[in-house]
Amino acid sequence: AQSVAQPEDQVNVAEGNPLTVKCTYSVSGNPYLFWYVQYPNRGLQFLLKYITGDNLVKGSYGFEAEFNKSQTSFHLKKPSALVSDSALYFCAVRDPFYSNYQLIWGAGTKLIIKP
Amino acid sequence: EPEVTQTPSHQVTQMGQEVILRCVPISNHLYFYWYRQILGQKVEFLVSFYNNEISEKSEIFDDQFSVERPDGSNFTLKIRSTKLEDSAMYFCASTPGRGSYEQYFGPGTRLTVT
Repeated sequence: AQSVAQPEDQVNVAEGNPLTVKCTYSVSGNPYLFWYVQYPNRGLQFLLKYITGDNLVKGSYGFEAEFNKSQTSFHLKKPSALVSDSALYFCAVRDPFYSNYQLIWGAGTKLIIKP
Repeated sequence: EPEVTQTPSHQVTQMGQEVILRCVPISNHLYFYWYRQILGQKVEFLVSFYNNEISEKSEIFDDQFSVERPDGSNFTLKIRSTKLEDSAMYFCASTPGRGSYEQYFGPGTRLTVT
């Protein structure tokens, strides 16, 4: 069965430090991977995706993520965190072997950036 | 920047009543979706819709649920005979078309069934 795991409920980082939000997945085929961010009282905003090609993908607001097929991971990273990055981050996967549309979601990781 | 909009932001209804949640997808998008998130749980896929018909649905999307695109702009989710366990945040999303993989989400409607 397809699944996504975000092993950390919360990540605390000091402003200016690098941040990593972890995501691992389990799918049958080659995954389509996504990161979304949710600010309070807002919808899910698309950050970046990996479909094929270069394992390092860059997205909005200076975020990037690295696809690692052997470790089945897609960790979100940013070299220097901002207080405004504090939000809830969701990893999602589509398994094209099973679905043309459905996203499977992780439970979310709360990112707190302290000044 | 175009956005998906959803109304109402919060809907309170009594058990057994019918509710209609409304969404206006981004105007040139062709694929539409509903997801829900029960408080404290993961986001769950409900249904996808393309070319005026359901293209995929999950096990959650049973006969209690239906979707419709009544005109060129709105996309609705109807829940018949609501149950307490239908209380959740419901998100609408849309995608431009084939070759576009990311889904663009609305702010959600919080449904509370009492």
